[in-house]
Amino acid sequence: DAKTTQPNSMESNEEEPVHLPCNHSTISGTDYIHWYRQLPSQGPEYVIHGLTSNVNNRMASLAIAEDRKSSTLILHRATLRDAAVYYCILKRNTDKLIFGTGTRLQVFP
Amino acid sequence: EPEVTQTPSHQVTQMGQEVILRCVPISNHLYFYWYRQILGQKVEFLVSFYNNEISEKSEIFDDQFSVERPDGSNFTLKIRSTKLEDSAMYFCASSEAPSTEAFFGQGTRLTVV
Repeated sequence: DAKTTQPNSMESNEEEPVHLPCNHSTISGTDYIHWYRQLPSQGPEYVIHGLTSNVNNRMASLAIAEDRKSSTLILHRATLRDAAVYYCILKRNTDKLIFGTGTRLQVFP
Repeated sequence: EPEVTQTPSHQVTQMGQEVILRCVPISNHLYFYWYRQILGQKVEFLVSFYNNEISEKSEIFDDQFSVERPDGSNFTLKIRSTKLEDSAMYFCASSEAPSTEAFFGQGTRLTVV
């Protein structure tokens, strides 16, 4: 499985944008970049995914580098409810999700 | 919004006992998964299930584990003879297809004493 590297933790203030980085230098052409998050005491929750182009949805934006060796999950205005562990996962279409240790995001009021 | 439902939310069992964890996936989904998360550790893949059979399983999913879709709505994980190290949160997930987003349940906390 292709590996991703994320910072262990990040902090943000409420209502500020948050940029969560992910490095995946060994990504292959068929790997999609998926982001999930896990709020405290809950199951993982899908956030967004993409292949090559930047993606936006109601939760977040995903910016993918041109060489696809890194990506950034952008939360446009962090809320206290966004405090969670964020997982960047490379996944081929037919593969299962493999979770790493993720980035623990703290949001301060 | 449709959701994956898991019962019970917490199960305490004695070592050596059998437990069955239950899940109701989202109704039009065809792919089902079990994951587990030992306290303070990563979410680990156990098994995937499609078309009434296991499509993939991890090393963790040994002969003590089994899965079943006994009817059109439930998806169960059975642990035949529980060990202390089986204590964990168990998450069920489902998806329309392996390429689409997976929806996870809230989990069952299994405590083996």
